[in-house]
Amino acid sequence: AQSVSQHNHHVILSEAASLELGCNYSYGGTVNLFWYVQYPGQHLQLLLKYFSGDPLVKGIKGFEAEFIKSKFSFNLRKPSVQWSDTAEYFCAFLGNTGFQKLVFGTGTRLLVSP
Amino acid sequence: DAGVTQSPTHLIKTRGQHVTLRCSPISGHKSVSWYQQVLGQGPQFIFQYYEKEERGRGNFPDRFSARQFPNYSSELNVNALLLGDSALYLCASSLTSGSYEQFFGPGTRLTVL
Repeated sequence: AQSVSQHNHHVILSEAASLELGCNYSYGGTVNLFWYVQYPGQHLQLLLKYFSGDPLVKGIKGFEAEFIKSKFSFNLRKPSVQWSDTAEYFCAFLGNTGFQKLVFGTGTRLLVSP
Repeated sequence: DAGVTQSPTHLIKTRGQHVTLRCSPISGHKSVSWYQQVLGQGPQFIFQYYEKEERGRGNFPDRFSARQFPNYSSELNVNALLLGDSALYLCASSLTSGSYEQFFGPGTRLTVL
């Protein structure tokens, strides 16, 4: 079965704390991996993506993610969060199905207190 | 440049009715995909259309249908609405069918009473 598991549904941090959001996927083939973010009142935006090459990818706003193939994981990290990072974060993958079916996790709501 | 646009932004229907949702992709994008996001869940893939043809379909009943027009805009139709169809319906566009990156619109919030 194709699925994405995001381990934390709600995370509350203080500003300047470090962030790590877990993501594991289940898929038998080659994947392209994504983290999307949805800020309050806004639409889904791409935060970062992994297609191939260096498994450590950097995205916008200081976020990075590491693809560990042996663990089927693609965890999102940021060394120091800001209040403006308050949002919902979705991990997703695109398999080699021949069409553009993104499989999303259930999302993690991050609240950063000032 | 305008992003992906969707209309209407909100819609209230009653059970058994039919609904049509509309999406205009980013200029130059030829592929449109539809997703359903139920409250508390991640988006679920419904359809992908490219060059007016269905390229992929998710695990949704036949009550859900879509089409793409020559200008690459798209409509999602849902017949015989059920309470469980209440969700945010997202449209995403990409340059081609093989493009990896999809750009999402703001969605249409459908409430079925």
